Amino acid sequence: DVKVTQSSRYLVKRTGEKVFLECVQDMDHENMFWYRQDPGLGLRLIYFSYDVKMKEKGDIPEGYSVSREKKERFSLILESASTNQTSMYLCASRPVKTRRETQYFGPGTRLLVL
Amino acid sequence: GQQLNQSPQSMFIQEGEDVSMNCTSSSIFNTWLWYKQEPGEGPVLLIALYKAGELTSNGRLTAQFGITRKDSFLNISASIPSDVGIYFCAGQLLAGNQFYFGTGTSLTVIP
Repeated sequence: DVKVTQSSRYLVKRTGEKVFLECVQDMDHENMFWYRQDPGLGLRLIYFSYDVKMKEKGDIPEGYSVSREKKERFSLILESASTNQTSMYLCASRPVKTRRETQYFGPGTRLLVL
Repeated sequence: GQQLNQSPQSMFIQEGEDVSMNCTSSSIFNTWLWYKQEPGEGPVLLIALYKAGELTSNGRLTAQFGITRKDSFLNISASIPSDVGIYFCAGQLLAGNQFYFGTGTSLTVIP
């Protein structure tokens, strides 16, 4: 079974704090993704990574950065958290060396910025 | 990004009823995925579709890749209370590209 884990299920931070969200996958997947999920807006892609040390901006990268130093780990960083970054954050991974495209999600981190 | 229109937005049904939902796009997609998300959890992959016209089942769930490649359908037969959740479609334009997601169908099953 594919397993994608996220370091925290719930986080409460203050405006201006630096926030790290960690994601780990155990299936040697090349691609990893960070999304945020908001009511009525669905899932929106923040950043993705094709492979170690590679990253690409998604649809809403502003206010976020990412780090992928190891294949299994993809970190999302909020340099200075703001209240409009309160959301559910979902990490996903995807194998590349397969003829069939799929994508697997972690359980999510619900972030509240006060 | 791409817009996927998913309908209906929400459904309230009696236990035992069948459920149908669909997802449409203005673009031709290469792959369609269907996910279920329970409260406070991440989406779980239910069914993956890779070919126009393909019909795939997973227990009481059946999904189809539309012939035009611009739509996909998910049916749930004989619904039960544990079917409650939000169902998402996801489409991919070309292999290796990102997936785009529908806004979800919220399903409530009344015992």
